[in-house]
This record gives sequence, C-alpha cells and structure tokens, in this order.
Amino acid sequence: AQSVSQHNHHVILSEAASLELGCNYSYGGTVNLFWYVQYPGQHLQLLLKYFSGDPLVKGIKGFEAEFIKSKFSFNLRKPSVQWSDTAEYFCAVGGYSSASKIIFGSGTRLSIRP
Amino acid sequence: GAGVSQTPSNKVTEKGKYVELRCDPISGHTALYWYRQSLGQGPEFLIYFQGTGAADDSGLPNDRFFAVRPEGSVSTLKIQRTERGDSAVYLCASSERRLAGGYQDTQYFGPGTRLTVL
Repeated sequence: AQSVSQHNHHVILSEAASLELGCNYSYGGTVNLFWYVQYPGQHLQLLLKYFSGDPLVKGIKGFEAEFIKSKFSFNLRKPSVQWSDTAEYFCAVGGYSSASKIIFGSGTRLSIRP
Repeated sequence: GAGVSQTPSNKVTEKGKYVELRCDPISGHTALYWYRQSLGQGPEFLIYFQGTGAADDSGLPNDRFFAVRPEGSVSTLKIQRTERGDSAVYLCASSERRLAGGYQDTQYFGPGTRLTVL
C-alpha cells in the first residue's frame, strides 16, 4: 500500500536551532518526493521536491531534504530555524508521471520559540 | 498571476443536504485535483482530472461524492446526502501537464473550502 509516515507530530524549537523532520514512504516503483508547507492562514505551498539526480535537494527559505533510497526516507533539514518557520510541514510522494495523485503524510507542526 | 480559487470559503449545511464546491484552476493548467483534509491529518486524494475526464477517481469515498469538469477548466465537487463525517477542508489543486517522462509537475493548491455538516 502507498503511504507516508512522518515521525514527529509536533516539534518545538528555539530560534537558531537546527531542524530535522523525518519522513518515510512506502510506494512501488520510481517516485517523486515532496515537502509542502502550510503557514498559518495560508495555502499549502511547495517547499521542495525530488525527482532524480542529486539526492540532496535544496528548496526555498534555506530548507533542504535528502533522499535515501535504501531507507525509503526523505528527511527535511534546516541548519538554523527562524520564528517565521512556524508552520505545518507535510511530506508527500507521487507517482512516476507528469500528473498523478500525491499521497501526503499526516504532517508535523513546527513551533519556533522567539 | 491569479492562483487557484475555491468557493465558497466556508459552507455549513445540515445532515442529508446536497452541497457543491467549486474550484477555478490556474489558467492553462490542464490537470486538476481534489483532496480532503480532516483535522490533524494531511490532505487525502479524492479525484484527478486531465482535461474534462476523470483520470483517477480512486479516492472518492463512496457514490455520494461526484465531481465534474465539463469544459476542462472549472470543476465542481458534489456531495449528496451529506453526513457529519464529511466535515473537512476540501482542497483543490492544479498543475500544467508537460510531457516530461516521470517528472511530476508541481501542484498548486487553493485556499480550500471548509465544509461543516451539522
């Protein structure tokens, strides 16, 4: 079955702390991988995505994610978080196609203490 | 440019009633998706259109749910005989469809319609 697991439901950090949010997926075949973010009161928006090539993907606002195929993981990282990073983060997997449904994880709520 | 728009932003209805939720995709986007997000969960896929036709409706939970996209642009999600369990935020997304093998085009999400069934 296709699924995405996000290990942390709620993460609380102080500003300037380093961040790593875990994500594991189960999906047959080649995949596209995504991290989406939802800031308070805003739409879901794409943070970064991986299709092929370099397994270390850089996204907006200093975020990056590493695809480890052997572990079926796609963890999100940021070396130094800011208060403005407070949001809900969703890991997701999509099929090997230009258009396909996306399977989302249940999300991780990130709270940053100023 | 304009993003994906959804109307209404909020809809309160009574159990057993019929509702329609509308999605206006980004102009020129041929692929359109509907997702449902319950409290504390990630979005859950419902249906995806390529042009006017439903390319994948495997996520529709039962036959009370139906969606159309008659002219390949605006889409309407229709829910008959609503139940309290249908309460959720219904999200619409759209994407271009380029013929690049395997690479999935970015889906752009709308603000959602919050449906409350009393």
